[in-house]
Amino acid sequence: GESVGLHLPTLSVQEGDNSIINCAYSNSASDYFIWYKQESGKGPQFIIDIRSNMDKRQGQRVTVLLNKTVKHLSLQIAATQPGDSAVYFCAERESRSSYKLIFGSGTRLLVRP
Amino acid sequence: ETGVTQTPRHLVMGMTNKKSLKCEQHLGHNAMYWYKQSAKKPLELMFVYSLEERVENNSVPSRFSPECPNSSHLFLHLHTLQPEDSALYLCASSQDLGREQYFGPGTRLTVT
Repeated sequence: GESVGLHLPTLSVQEGDNSIINCAYSNSASDYFIWYKQESGKGPQFIIDIRSNMDKRQGQRVTVLLNKTVKHLSLQIAATQPGDSAVYFCAERESRSSYKLIFGSGTRLLVRP
Repeated sequence: ETGVTQTPRHLVMGMTNKKSLKCEQHLGHNAMYWYKQSAKKPLELMFVYSLEERVENNSVPSRFSPECPNSSHLFLHLHTLQPEDSALYLCASSQDLGREQYFGPGTRLTVT
């Protein structure tokens, strides 16, 4: 079936470096994508979203890139900080008429001091 | 804080117990959701309500029973659960169906 997946289960980066978390999706009809951050003991926290009519969207220290040709989504975090350590999920909406979000398994980001 | 609260935060219950999880959103949203999060598995959608009407019952066993008395409150009633039901249960809300969802902190449930 259609699924959202992540290439790496764990990513370790040096504090101050940039982080890139990747996500592959298989449903070409998916029209909306969201990145969530989940810290230990907390629920997922909305970070940034992007619609399929866009290639790039920037937030505060974060950038999401969408490549519909290869069905790939990435989250870039600039100047990674210890507080960025968490599990990051991508989620896709199945289609414009759907309300369901399909979540990936998550990537754990570890920030080394 | 996201504006979505859940109680209790932790719950231990026996297989014969009856308990309820509560969720409240202070965002004025119209849609609310229950998810199950198990270790090393993606989030599993359980139930969806829009304007207090259930729009999704995702093949969830009947030992889980949702209730949405108004657009701000959502309950999950639990009865005769199994050990494999132990998980983090997350509530979320969105302005409308299909919009970005905001999650509560979850209830960590352990079934003994």
